[in-house]
Amino acid sequence: SQKIEQNSEALNIQEGKTATLTCNYTNYSPAYLQWYRQDPGRGPVFLLLIRENEKEKRKERLKVTFDTTLKQSLFHITASQPADSATYLCALPRSGANNLFFGTGTRLTVIP
Amino acid sequence: DVKVTQSSRYLVKRTGEKVFLECVQDMDHENMFWYRQDPGLGLRLIYFSYDVKMKEKGDIPEGYSVSREKKERFSLILESASTNQTSMYLCASSFGLAGGGTDTQYFGPGTRLTVL
Repeated sequence: SQKIEQNSEALNIQEGKTATLTCNYTNYSPAYLQWYRQDPGRGPVFLLLIRENEKEKRKERLKVTFDTTLKQSLFHITASQPADSATYLCALPRSGANNLFFGTGTRLTVIP
Repeated sequence: DVKVTQSSRYLVKRTGEKVFLECVQDMDHENMFWYRQDPGLGLRLIYFSYDVKMKEKGDIPEGYSVSREKKERFSLILESASTNQTSMYLCASSFGLAGGGTDTQYFGPGTRLTVL
């Protein structure tokens, strides 16, 4: 069955550094992968989508890579700020269905 | 901007009560979803709907039912609430096939349900 693993439950990083979050998946070859941000007590918000034929996608200080050989996506936040503190979820399309399967998330804390 | 609203932010109910959670989206989305989110378990899909009056079971449908009488509204029903249904409930919607098949989901703010 499909499985998603996000590298760690929590990640602390100093302000100004680059945060790197990892999403690994098994038993599947998805056509795309998505990243969401979730603040405490709120619903997730869509950030970026990357397709299987794209190696990298950027949006302002965010960068996502997608390595279909390693079955891994990396999510980078450059010049991190305390306002970037949140939980970040990766999501894959479910095999044979038009909906998503979410990872459990990584809680990022950016320390001033 | 897509807006997904949920009827309550916080709800406290007693064991055995029937509970209705309402979700409304304003973007004419085909797909709507109900999730629950618990610490360490992430988002788990309860039910989803691809169209009016259509419903499909997700990963954890037991103890829940849903209703979609109008395209913009998707209701989650707990027939007889139990303490293990205490959780954060999140509704989401997506374009479906009209969205190019990428199913980007838009979430409501969530309802934190406590069952005593």
